[in-house]
Amino acid sequence: DAEITQSPRHKITETGRQVTLACHQTWNHNNMFWYRQDLGHGLRLIHYSYGVHDTNKGEVSDGYSVSRSNTEDLPLTLESAASSQTSVYFCASSAGGTDTQYFGPGTRLTVL
Amino acid sequence: KQEVTQIPAALSVPEGENLVLNCSFTDSAIYNLQWFRQDPGKGLTSLLLIQSSQREQTSGRLNASLDKSSGRSTLYIAASQPGDSATYLCAVEVNDMRFGAGTRLTVKP
Repeated sequence: DAEITQSPRHKITETGRQVTLACHQTWNHNNMFWYRQDLGHGLRLIHYSYGVHDTNKGEVSDGYSVSRSNTEDLPLTLESAASSQTSVYFCASSAGGTDTQYFGPGTRLTVL
Repeated sequence: KQEVTQIPAALSVPEGENLVLNCSFTDSAIYNLQWFRQDPGKGLTSLLLIQSSQREQTSGRLNASLDKSSGRSTLYIAASQPGDSATYLCAVEVNDMRFGAGTRLTVKP
């Protein structure tokens, strides 16, 4: 069965370190998204991609970057982790158009 | 800027009750509205998607309505069960998807 996976599921890091969160989907979807979820804020869009080599900034993109070198993967990089980036991160993908987004299980990141 | 609000933030009901969850949004120029379910420690699962031209969608015991002109949507759950306990989020799509903070539902046996 097609799926979307995220790794690691849990990560603890220190302020100032570079961190990369992985997202892999086997749906062959063109569209991929990264969100963060914080109490009281719901999910907020960080970056998104509509295809290979395409990336776009979302609502809360500062301090994050993505690159899309193939259809299946959209890694999220925190260039220099800050305590304000402690959150749960969700990756999602969709076929586009009127298709819904399918979400991964999330990565809980703690920045000390 | 599109703002999405869900009220109440939490709701507890006895098993068997019919219930309504509310979602409001500030900009009526949306492509669609979705309701998602999130279980603790898990990702989101799409329940219902209403296109901007539609008024409602139904799936089993769930019915979602959309009133774009008033910026409101409701999710109706009939004959609630303990397995319905979860957080329910609504999201509207314009150029990107904007989520509400969710309603945490507890259905007591």
